[in-house]
Amino acid sequence: GESVGLHLPTLSVQEGDNSIINCAYSNSASDYFIWYKQESGKGPQFIIDIRSNMDKRQGQRVTVLLNKTVKHLSLQIAATQPGDSAVYFCAELEYGNKLVFGAGTILRVKS
Amino acid sequence: DTAVSQTPKYLVTQMGNDKSIKCEQNLGHDTMYWYKQDSKKFLKIMFSYNNKELIINETVPNRFSPKSPDKAHLNLHINSLELGDSAVYFCASSQSATQETQYFGPGTRLLVL
Repeated sequence: GESVGLHLPTLSVQEGDNSIINCAYSNSASDYFIWYKQESGKGPQFIIDIRSNMDKRQGQRVTVLLNKTVKHLSLQIAATQPGDSAVYFCAELEYGNKLVFGAGTILRVKS
Repeated sequence: DTAVSQTPKYLVTQMGNDKSIKCEQNLGHDTMYWYKQDSKKFLKIMFSYNNKELIINETVPNRFSPKSPDKAHLNLHINSLELGDSAVYFCASSQSATQETQYFGPGTRLLVL
């Protein structure tokens, strides 16, 4: 598949289990963070966002946690499904509405 | 009813050629962006336009020239293509330059031979 040859971190989970994808960011002044999902052959798709005045935000089956002390973000996906298989990117917003993306994590869901 | 569309989806060309990629958004957004994704999936912003004016210009070779004829369109022209230009180019848009959520197009896969 498209991930062959990529050296991104890979998370393999069983269908129905929960997934946790982690991300470290660099700019302590960033106050807005986003998670994107990129399926094979498609553009990044917005999943969920969080502002720095929050430490947790929940969406449908997804939760984002923000730890500003250690500059760490995580994305939790409940009851992971085969359709969740994708590359997941965290991004922080810098001055000028410039998105700075992390390296990405491959999520593989085993049926 | 694609919100952000790009043409072409695939582009294969020889070194030294000049090519253009087009982007259109029908979301009524004011701000549009070009990103480059390399073979390692790393995504990096190249340019941003707000109401047809350039607001972000990262360290990109001047062979790359964006053009925004109106706020719904942002095209990318590349002169004298090089092997290292091979990548996937994504267009994105947001409501404004301070509205953070960006919506991405499907990408243009450029291969320079």
